[in-house]
Amino acid sequence: DTEVTQTPKHLVMGMTNKKSLKCEQHMGHRAMYWYKQKAKKPPELMFVYSYEKLSINESVPSRFSPECPNSSLLNLHLHALQPEDSALYLCASSRVDRQGNEQFFGPGTRLTVL
Amino acid sequence: GEDVEQSLFLSVREGDSSVINCTYTDSSSTYLYWYKQEPGAGLQLLTYIFSNMDMKQDQRLTVLLNKKDKHLSLRIADTQTGDSAIYFCAGFDSWGKLQFGAGTQVVVTP
Repeated sequence: DTEVTQTPKHLVMGMTNKKSLKCEQHMGHRAMYWYKQKAKKPPELMFVYSYEKLSINESVPSRFSPECPNSSLLNLHLHALQPEDSALYLCASSRVDRQGNEQFFGPGTRLTVL
Repeated sequence: GEDVEQSLFLSVREGDSSVINCTYTDSSSTYLYWYKQEPGAGLQLLTYIFSNMDMKQDQRLTVLLNKKDKHLSLRIADTQTGDSAIYFCAGFDSWGKLQFGAGTQVVVTP
């Protein structure tokens, strides 16, 4: 299994809603990532988990809250989002968080905030 | 950090070769990568090159690396309509984070 899965594929939410994005991999990878991608732009790193511990937080607003409940799962909890948070949210994983380790990307969740 | 630049658009006829170019400023990345993103999809790693190599060939893909000029290119031979996508070059910065170029949109015309 060399796949990263993400649910849901699409999500529409209001600014007062609370929702969660989910990511799963069964490749035994110990590094997992959240990226945000706006239309026609490259992905921007948000968070990195290494061995289930948060190792990088790229100064992301607290309305985004990541969680890594085990080595296969990564969640992104969303609360009180703004319309400018509408984007494609990509999850990725790699064997470890180190150069030379290929990052495998999921298909993304397309989020629209109304 | 890694500053990576790419041309934004390339139009190519089916059957021709495509060449996508990328320049970077930070030489700390041991590997340099090419990713492909089709509409509505995630990123797919196409190929990578180790920084001490100057060329790598993988079927229809050829990666050239000029370390002196900090220039990376991806050549796609016999371009097909399925090659229409956005292509990102990427490398690790001195903080160990993967940095992407702006992306080149490749449009293949019949």
